[in-house]
Amino acid sequence: GQQLNQSPQSMFIQEGEDVSMNCTSSSIFNTWLWYKQDPGEGPVLLIALYKAGELTSNGRLTAQFGITRKDSFLNISASIPSDVGIYFCAGQLGSYNNNDMRFGAGTRLTVKP
Amino acid sequence: DTAVSQTPKYLVTQMGNDKSIKCEQNLGHDTMYWYKQDSKKFLKIMFSYNNKELIINETVPNRFSPKSPDKAHLNLHINSLELGDSAVYFCASSQQGVGYTFGSGTRLTVV
Repeated sequence: GQQLNQSPQSMFIQEGEDVSMNCTSSSIFNTWLWYKQDPGEGPVLLIALYKAGELTSNGRLTAQFGITRKDSFLNISASIPSDVGIYFCAGQLGSYNNNDMRFGAGTRLTVKP
Repeated sequence: DTAVSQTPKYLVTQMGNDKSIKCEQNLGHDTMYWYKQDSKKFLKIMFSYNNKELIINETVPNRFSPKSPDKAHLNLHINSLELGDSAVYFCASSQQGVGYTFGSGTRLTVV
């Protein structure tokens, strides 16, 4: 099946710094998504991208759908302590009989006050 | 109201036992899923149900069986539990495959 490579695996940053993480795939996806998981909770959708080249923002978060449809990045500006968590990229083919969502391995973010 | 609710949140059981995890969604979504998250936090899809019909069945052991009595419920039955089944199991739902909403997970520990 499709494999997503997410990097970095973990990041330790100071409050106020900007963060960047990315995801690449050997296969094309029609939808890219970014999720955040807090401890003891399920993943929560942050941003969904539906078109190659699309750049979308959600507050301090910005994500882009790569032109090749094989990659995406997520940026977080001016990080704050509550940004701590695991961030997952996910890709979907979007076809009728294969619309399951595949996840990257996650980026564990630690923000030091 | 919780959109996707799973019960129980924690489940500790002995090897060889049979257990069930329940999931309910009140979002009116047409598709529900079960994901397994291992100790390294990797999320892997197990099953997907669309309008009570199984449309994805990843290569999981047949000891795992999803049961969907109606569109709002997808339960997971596990027979003859093994140590390697210990993980966090997440239920999720979506409308036409877009923007999954996840439950808060069931942490299963097999001893």
